[in-house]
Amino acid sequence: GAVVSQHPSRVICKSGTSVKIECRSLDFQATTMFWYRQFPKQSLMLMATSNEGSKATYEQGVEKDKFLINHASLTLSTLTVTSAHPEDSSFYICSASTGGEQYFGPGTRLTVT
Amino acid sequence: QKEVEQDPGPLSVPEGAIVSLNCTYSNSAFQYFMWYRQYSRKGPELLMYTYSSGNKEDGRFTAQVDKSSKYISLFIRDSQPSDSATYLCAMSAGGYNFNKFYFGSGTKLNVKP
Repeated sequence: GAVVSQHPSRVICKSGTSVKIECRSLDFQATTMFWYRQFPKQSLMLMATSNEGSKATYEQGVEKDKFLINHASLTLSTLTVTSAHPEDSSFYICSASTGGEQYFGPGTRLTVT
Repeated sequence: QKEVEQDPGPLSVPEGAIVSLNCTYSNSAFQYFMWYRQYSRKGPELLMYTYSSGNKEDGRFTAQVDKSSKYISLFIRDSQPSDSATYLCAMSAGGYNFNKFYFGSGTKLNVKP
């Protein structure tokens, strides 16, 4: 149980384009989903917290207009990286919360050329 | 000072050895402590979840929390090559911010056959 999926697993896009990443909780309903980014050999950095039906809460330093988060249902949250630049290249991981524990998706590797 | 400090390793041990992984933290408000295992290019997988001080055992894994020293440990008995991964500690303060996790940078473990 407690399986979280992400799609796509990896994506390459050109600078200036937008990319959408989906995060789904497959066998449970998650009232809260989280988006992290992870640079090589570094820890997970929380970007934003997403509650179903309400606006996401962004961490300090994360541009909300650049990283658009939509939590449309109790099983789906999306992260759209708008006008992507090479410095946005990273490993993006979502997690879904149930009862205080967080279950992580497999991650999406974004490369912006 | 980072909220959570973790030795990045790498830590290399022979198969069958007892492994000790540790994290220190500075925020005395942390009450929930987690250990995650992350294989290369994958999302983190929850291993252990403990509340407050004390020990918790699950199979070959034992988690210890010493709040007075702000120090947590994960012990792996009879280590296997399949345990080779990066181990991340995480913690949260609970209450209103129970979902906000602070991660260590991860310790890379290599178990040699």
